[in-house]
Amino acid sequence: DQQVKQNSPSLSVQEGRISILNCDYTNSMFDYFLWYKKYPAEGPTFLISISSIKDKNEDGRFTVFLNKSAKHLSLHIVPSQPGDSAVYFCAASATPGGTSYGKLTFGQGTILTVHP
Amino acid sequence: DSGVTQTPKHLITATGQRVTLRCSPRSGDLSVYWYQQSLDQGLQFLIQYYNGEERAKGNILERFSAQQFPDLHSELNLSSLELGDSALYFCASSVTGESYEQYFGPGTRLTVT
Repeated sequence: DQQVKQNSPSLSVQEGRISILNCDYTNSMFDYFLWYKKYPAEGPTFLISISSIKDKNEDGRFTVFLNKSAKHLSLHIVPSQPGDSAVYFCAASATPGGTSYGKLTFGQGTILTVHP
Repeated sequence: DSGVTQTPKHLITATGQRVTLRCSPRSGDLSVYWYQQSLDQGLQFLIQYYNGEERAKGNILERFSAQQFPDLHSELNLSSLELGDSALYFCASSVTGESYEQYFGPGTRLTVT
């Protein structure tokens, strides 16, 4: 039961253009969403997050959009740079409490390649 | 460098064996999480500890167990290993037990032959 899905295994964009990575979720209890970036031979690195009370969060070149009715979020990178080439994971969590606490549910990842 | 350390980096062992993976959280972090990443899967949550106590459990097999010690480092024990246990095992830490923003170590790559 894949509660968080990233349907695009890979994405290729030109340097300077926009990269859009997508993520869908099925669990309506999820109310906090995160994006992690992962380079080979390293652990995932936190990138940006958004609470369900917002529909947009921006941090420099990175913006995350949340559409709760569609259970969809996206990460926009503008402008894309070759150093952004990595695997991007979407993750979701429910409000801590009960058995949830800090448990993150991850998507399968999207490999982003930014060409010079 | 996230500040989370994991040892060993690589581990090769045979089926039926038992191994122990070790994790040291960032300084000041009280919570430790273990995740498994198999070849074609995303990261799967295994278990969480907070200040020495088990806090949350995911789809962790009965053959697997973990603990967090008084100095806050954690160990993940995998026993009766099977070929399908070959994976990357990540440890993450956070300040509290309810932190969404977790800091990951570099992982331990386990190969079961």
